[in-house]
Amino acid sequence: GAGVSQSPSNKVTEKGKDVELRCDPISGHTALYWYRQSLGQGLEFLIYFQGNSAPDKSGLPSDRFSAERTGGSVSTLTIQRTQQEDSAVYLCASSSGQRSLGANVLTFGAGSRLTVL
Amino acid sequence: SQQGEEDPQALSIQEGENATMNCSYKTSINNLQWYRQNSGRGLVHLILIRSNEREKHSGRLRVTLDTSKKSSSLLITASRAADTASYFCATYHQGAQKLVFGQGTRLTINP
Repeated sequence: GAGVSQSPSNKVTEKGKDVELRCDPISGHTALYWYRQSLGQGLEFLIYFQGNSAPDKSGLPSDRFSAERTGGSVSTLTIQRTQQEDSAVYLCASSSGQRSLGANVLTFGAGSRLTVL
Repeated sequence: SQQGEEDPQALSIQEGENATMNCSYKTSINNLQWYRQNSGRGLVHLILIRSNEREKHSGRLRVTLDTSKKSSSLLITASRAADTASYFCATYHQGAQKLVFGQGTRLTINP
């Protein structure tokens, strides 16, 4: 696609429920990132996918969080048994992943705003 | 933490004035980037400066990088109301595969 697409744009859920957030990266981009941003804060790295390599999961805050990337394209971030502190905007970004000047310039989606009641 | 830190956290100036935001980081980098965010949603890439560069320009934006001090600055000249946004620096560290973002500077341009 022309840009990074995220869905849903807004999600309200009850504490304890599971949620899935989806990201469609730019076609051909091999690198995909998930970040979390709490209100008025910076971006917190969650997970990074690059091609067929094992993902860098070092930023996932707990084992309730998981992500997968199917076929090297679409990614789903899953949060199990949601807690109120999970409320944030979840941002997905992709990059070409190639060795060039612009290799790690990220194109962001508009984000998914999650509210856990 | 490898995270960059922006300074100031918030900046409010009059339209037409110049805005300067600073970023410091802790470990050696391959490049440093600045992003802009409107309304708490997606970020937009503004400019990238490599570790062997000292200054870069793009329109009204000027970025400097001092690797000896592990710091960078973003200057927006002749500011406009539409420049109101949050600005983040992000660093790509040697040996790492991910961009690490700072906490951002909230810039308000008053008409």
